[in-house]
Amino acid sequence: DQQVKQNSPSLSVQEGRISILNCDYTNSMFDYFLWYKKYPAEGPTFLISISSIKDKNEDGRFTVFLNKSAKHLSLHIVPSQPGDSAVYFCAAGSTGANSKLTFGKGITLSVRP
Amino acid sequence: GAVVSQHPSWVICKSGTSVKIECRSLDFQATTMFWYRQFPKQSLMLMATSNEGSKATYEQGVEKDKFLINHASLTLSTLTVTSAHPEDSSFYICSARDPGGSGNTIYFGEGSWLTVV
Repeated sequence: DQQVKQNSPSLSVQEGRISILNCDYTNSMFDYFLWYKKYPAEGPTFLISISSIKDKNEDGRFTVFLNKSAKHLSLHIVPSQPGDSAVYFCAAGSTGANSKLTFGKGITLSVRP
Repeated sequence: GAVVSQHPSWVICKSGTSVKIECRSLDFQATTMFWYRQFPKQSLMLMATSNEGSKATYEQGVEKDKFLINHASLTLSTLTVTSAHPEDSSFYICSARDPGGSGNTIYFGEGSWLTVV
């Protein structure tokens, strides 16, 4: 049972446009969410997070939206840049001592110049 | 800069030998670290939770005698793949939770490619 789902395996966007990456989850115990970017042969790089007490968090070009009732979150990148081309993972966890994360399968974002 | 360092980045070992991967938190003390494995085109899969000063907690299906985890200090956790076989070849990644700030940010190491020949 996949608790964190990224249903679209890939996304292609023109440079300068907005990239919207979606993520759905099923476990209602999740109360914080993170997005990571990953280049080939490297570990994931933390991008942005959001706690369940908020519905939006913004950091520069990156904004994460959380819709708790729909169990849905999205990452917006605007404007998109070619350097943003990577695999993006959303991850969810439950606040607590262990804080282990459950990951989606990732979305490959390609930003065309 | 990196706040979690993983070493080595690449390792090739012969089948039947053991290999150790280190994970260090550089800027904070991590009471808990996590080890993940990623096969090509698949998601990161949690293998085990490493707790400083106590035994690791393994996820279902992960052999604890094969994947030995030691959390010797608040800044170091090691994963030892014992009697490695070609099917153990994978990308292994560690992470650690930064207790500062919101306490919910988890940083990852750079990852380690293991190839068993």
